[in-house]
Amino acid sequence: EAQVTQNPRYLITVTGKKLTVTCSQNMNHEYMSWYRQDPGLGLRQIYYSMNVEVTDKGDVPEGYKVSRKEKRNFPLILESPSPNQTSLYFCASSFGTAPEVDTQYFGPGTRLTVL
Amino acid sequence: GQQVMQIPQYQHVQEGEDFTTYCNSSTTLSNIQWYKQRPGGHPVFLIQLVKSGEVKKQKRLTFQFGEAKKNSSLHITATQTTDVGTYFCAGHNDYKLSFGAGTTVTVRA
Repeated sequence: EAQVTQNPRYLITVTGKKLTVTCSQNMNHEYMSWYRQDPGLGLRQIYYSMNVEVTDKGDVPEGYKVSRKEKRNFPLILESPSPNQTSLYFCASSFGTAPEVDTQYFGPGTRLTVL
Repeated sequence: GQQVMQIPQYQHVQEGEDFTTYCNSSTTLSNIQWYKQRPGGHPVFLIQLVKSGEVKKQKRLTFQFGEAKKNSSLHITATQTTDVGTYFCAGHNDYKLSFGAGTTVTVRA
């Protein structure tokens, strides 16, 4: 089944404790992206990757890191989480390096709470 | 940077009525996509508009892309309870995807 998977689905952590949210897709997509969703703000892009070893900042990259060592995986790293990073996070992927013409396939989401 | 504004934020609709949600960008877009997110779910692609003035229909849903490629609308006729959820527009430009804040639709039976 074609899908985007994220782990964990739920996470409660404390300020400053490094964490990684994994994202994997099995559709051989080149473009992958991370979003955070907050009430009233919609989905805001954190980072995106157009291909292996190619990443770039989205609209809200501060406090986050990403890596794209393999085509299928795009982990989101919070080196020192803070309470303002409490949010619902979505990973998404699409075909091609030109997402203008491609559907974004979203993962199920990761609900993160930072105390 | 590019901003996409979407109104209204909330839409309470009587079952059977029509409604429209609007999306406006501060910059010209390459294309615009629409997504639907059911409560507790993830965004699911509905449609993509690419051409200036384009109009596409999916059953009771009609999507339009403005002539200047800076605005779009989604019109739903004869609303049903299955239409409940949040509808997002997303504008593409230079590989970046900017989402509107969404219109959350509730339906009164």
